[in-house]
Formats: sequence, structure tokens, C-alpha cells
Amino acid sequence: GDSVTQMEGPVTLSEEAFLTINCTYTATGYPSLFWYVQYPGEGLQLLLKATKADDKGSNKGFEATYRKETTSFHLEKGSVQVSDSAVYFCALSDLNSGNTPLVFGKGTRLSVIA
Amino acid sequence: DTGVSQDPRHKITKRGQNVTFRCDPISEHNRLYWYRQTLGQGPEFLTYFQNEAQLEKSRLLSDRFSAERPKGSFSTLEIQRTEQGDSAMYLCASSSRDPGQGGYEQYFGPGTRLTVT
Repeated sequence: GDSVTQMEGPVTLSEEAFLTINCTYTATGYPSLFWYVQYPGEGLQLLLKATKADDKGSNKGFEATYRKETTSFHLEKGSVQVSDSAVYFCALSDLNSGNTPLVFGKGTRLSVIA
Repeated sequence: DTGVSQDPRHKITKRGQNVTFRCDPISEHNRLYWYRQTLGQGPEFLTYFQNEAQLEKSRLLSDRFSAERPKGSFSTLEIQRTEQGDSAMYLCASSSRDPGQGGYEQYFGPGTRLTVT
């Protein structure tokens, strides 16, 4: 079945450092790809998405590019802030077949220190 | 639009008891999903509805679990004869099939944390 693999955490960075969280996927169809974020004590929020190859999703300074050739959707941010401390989940869904349920990675905890 | 709400936010129960959780989706969303999240893991799909029809159930949904969405609005998830392994965060999400209404994105509620003692 479909699956998502993302880098193990926790990741600890200093403020203004560059962030990369790797995500690769396996899918039988042509999935849409998502990054969700879970801030402490809050629910999951959609951070960004991409629905086809070479699409770049971006939001709040974060971006990720759908790379079909490498089946990857790595999350990047040029300069992290303390407020970015959260757990980040990569996920996929085969929307072309009718919005099937999301398949999530295990999550990567990010801690940003001042 | 008040977002997806879930009730209760926390539930502590003794092993063997039954529990029921409620989810109220975003009002115009016709799809509703239930997921379970254990510590250190990503959410795992349990079941989903389109309107009042339950379209898919994962193999994680044992016979002790049942979900309903009687009028295509709110949904309930019941766990009978709870076990310690049922301790988890139960998440509800909703989505619209209409790309004009936020597309196919799933919007999550805050979750219900279940602790079985």
C-alpha cells in the first residue's frame, strides 16, 4: 500500500538557521502531497500542498516541491523562528481516485532555540 | 465557519467500559474522517463517511469500534469494552469534494485524548 517516510527527529536548530525535513513516498497512483503541522497543544493544520509533479507548495516561508522522479516532497525554510517549533507531518492522498484518506509519516519534531 | 469541533477533549475510562466521542465537521463539508494517533506516530486512518454513508473502514477498526453519521452532519465514534491499547488521540477531519470550497483539503479538529486505565 501507499506509505510515507520522513526523517527521524527530533531536529534542534538555532533561530535563523536553514531547515530541511526530508520526505519520500511510495504510491500506486498519482498522489497529492501535503505537509501538516501540529503546534504544542493544538490540532493538525495544513501547512502546504502540491497536487502534481514539479508543483511547489509554499506558506509562512515554508516550501516543498513535488519531485516525481525521486518520489520526494522535502520541506524547507530559509530562516526558522522559535515559533516554528512543532511536529511536522508529511502526508499523501490519491485525490484523483476520489479523496481517499490521508497516509501520514511518523512526524518530525522541530525545536528552534533562540 | 467555526472549524471542526470534537467532544470531549479528554476522556479517562476504566478497561472494559464503553466510550463515545462526537465530531462536528465544518458545516458545508460532506466528507468526514476519523483517525487515531498514538504517541510518537502519525495519524492512522480508521474510517470515513460521505454524507451519511460509511465508505471505507480500515483494518484497524476492530469489531469493538463503530462509527455513525446519522444525518450526514455530526458523527460519533464508539469503542466498546475498551482496552489499554485503545489509549490514543482520536482525530476527526472533514473535507468538501468541491474544489471551490477549499478543495479536497482535510481540516482537523483538536482531537479527543482517550486514556484507558
